[in-house]
Amino acid sequence: GAVVSQHPSWVICKSGTSVKIECRSLDFQATTMFWYRQFPKQSLMLMATSNEGSKATYEQGVEKDKFLINHASLTLSTLTVTSAHPEDSSFYICSAGAGRGGYTFGSGTRLTVV
Amino acid sequence: ILNVEQSPQSLHVQEGDSTNFTCSFPSSNFYALHWYRWETAKSPEALFVMTLNGDEKKKGRISATLNTKEGYSYLYIKGSQPEDSATYLCASNTNAGKSTFGDGTTLTVKP
Repeated sequence: GAVVSQHPSWVICKSGTSVKIECRSLDFQATTMFWYRQFPKQSLMLMATSNEGSKATYEQGVEKDKFLINHASLTLSTLTVTSAHPEDSSFYICSAGAGRGGYTFGSGTRLTVV
Repeated sequence: ILNVEQSPQSLHVQEGDSTNFTCSFPSSNFYALHWYRWETAKSPEALFVMTLNGDEKKKGRISATLNTKEGYSYLYIKGSQPEDSATYLCASNTNAGKSTFGDGTTLTVKP
């Protein structure tokens, strides 16, 4: 079946640094990738939709200059948290697929900013 | 209902018990309802994608029903086993392509 590989699984970084999270579709081409964030005991919140070869579409309230998304190929989408601060500490997860086909998720990245 | 709501938030059962939980979603502009099983440190795994009112789907001991008119879906687990312990997420898709996730129901099955 379809597999999305996400890494790193967890990362600790210093406040003010940037962190890049990668999602790769291993056995299929993902023209669209979705990026979510989940705070403790809350639901997955869609941050942005990444489209191969074009700009990402951000949800309301998500700073596009802070959360840089690049989808340069049909198998790779990246999310870069720039100048991270402790309030950016969260669980980030990507998924590919949509509609009636269901999503294939990555395994998620736990980001801790200290 | 404006958001996707799941209940209960958590559930503890004994091995062998049957259990069920609920996903409530907005019935307007409904397109599809997804159920996922999410074990700690793993990727959410798709269980069911349901689209038609009255749909019933089954996968082993797990089954789900869908009522799009009133906006709810039930997930049933028959004869729970410890390996069923996980968080069960539902997500509602609208015909605009937007997906909204519930908070999940965390199931713990005690041996």
